[in-house]
This record gives sequence, structure tokens and C-alpha cells, in this order.
Amino acid sequence: GIQVEQSPPDLILQEGANSTLRCNFSDSVNNLQWFHQNPWGQLINLFYIPSGTKQNGRLSATTVATERYSLLYISSSQTTDSGVYFCAVRYYTSGTYKYIFGTGTRLKV
Amino acid sequence: GAGVSQSPRYKVAKRGQDVALRCDPISGHVSLFWYQQALGQGPEFLTYFQNEAQLDKSGLPSDRFFAERPEGSVSTLKIQRTQQEDSAVYLCASSLSGGGRNEQFFGPGTRLTVL
Repeated sequence: GIQVEQSPPDLILQEGANSTLRCNFSDSVNNLQWFHQNPWGQLINLFYIPSGTKQNGRLSATTVATERYSLLYISSSQTTDSGVYFCAVRYYTSGTYKYIFGTGTRLKV
Repeated sequence: GAGVSQSPRYKVAKRGQDVALRCDPISGHVSLFWYQQALGQGPEFLTYFQNEAQLDKSGLPSDRFFAERPEGSVSTLKIQRTQQEDSAVYLCASSLSGGGRNEQFFGPGTRLTVL
């Protein structure tokens, strides 16, 4: 099946710093989402981004589907950005769609 | 409500007990998903409904796990004869259209602890 790997696995930032999180996937995908799982466990939607670039405040994301990666940019990080960031993909295999989460990046600001 | 809700938020069960976890998706959402998240891991897919039809249950770990969505809205995940390895957070998500083509919105989860 498809592999979805995220890097770095762990990241520590000073408040105000910028960072880039990466999501690599091993095969074609139909859609891709970025989530932030806060310290209370809630998964918060950041971006639905099967391709292209989107921005929302201090966050932006780019997916290059043909090269099988997506990037999440966090600028001017704040303590509330702490938590785990997941990418999740939907892909087609064996006559059905499957859903898989990446390995996650744990961020501490 | 405005978002996906789940109940109970916390459940403690003795090994061998049956449990039932409830998910209320966003009103009008066709697709509903269940995931299991073990401590320190990412969510793992369990099953998918399009309206009342369970189209994919390939992620259910054993025949002790059963899910239903009889009227195409509320869903229940049932675990029979719980084991310690079932301890995890169970997450429910919904999306607007069939096939999961749109973004998924997650509930707060139910944390199950099996003693």
C-alpha cells in the first residue's frame, strides 16, 4: 500500500520562528488534508489541498501532486501552534478508496 | 450541532465487557468514517459509510468490532468482549459528499480504556 511519511518527526521552535513541515507519499493520491492535533486531542482542519497553494493567516500549504509531496509552512510561530501535525491522503486501490494518515510531526513552541 | 459530536468522551471498561460508542456527524453529511488512534500514533482507518451503506470495513481489526449507521445519520461503533489492546481513542469524521471527495471533519473522540 501507499506510504505517507512526514518530516521532521519532532521540531522545537522559539516563539516567532518560521518552519516548514513536509509530507511525502509514495503513490498518486486523490486528495490531501493537513490537520493540527492540539494537546487535547482534537484534530483541527488546516487545509484541504489536493494540489496547488493555499494560505490562511500565518499558515500556508503547497501540494505538488506530480512530485508526490506537500509542504506546510508556519510563520511567526506561537505557543498555541504546539501539537502534532498530520497530513492525510485519499487514494484509489483495488477498486476502492483508502484513507491513510502520515507519521506526524510533533511541534513544540 | 455545528460540528461532529461523539459520546461518551471517556469510557472505562473491564476486559470482556461490550461497549458502544456514538457519533453524530455534521447534519447533511453523506460520508462517515471511524478511526482508531493508539497512544503516540496517527489515526488508523476502521470503516466507512456512505449514507446507511457500509462500503468499506477493511480496517476493523477483528470480528469483535461492528459498526452501523441505520438511518444514514448517527453511527455506533460496538466492540464486543473488549481486550486491553482495544484501549485507544476512537475518532469519527464526516464529509459532505459520497466517496470522501471532500474534506473530513473530526469529532473530539472517545477515549476507551480497557482494564
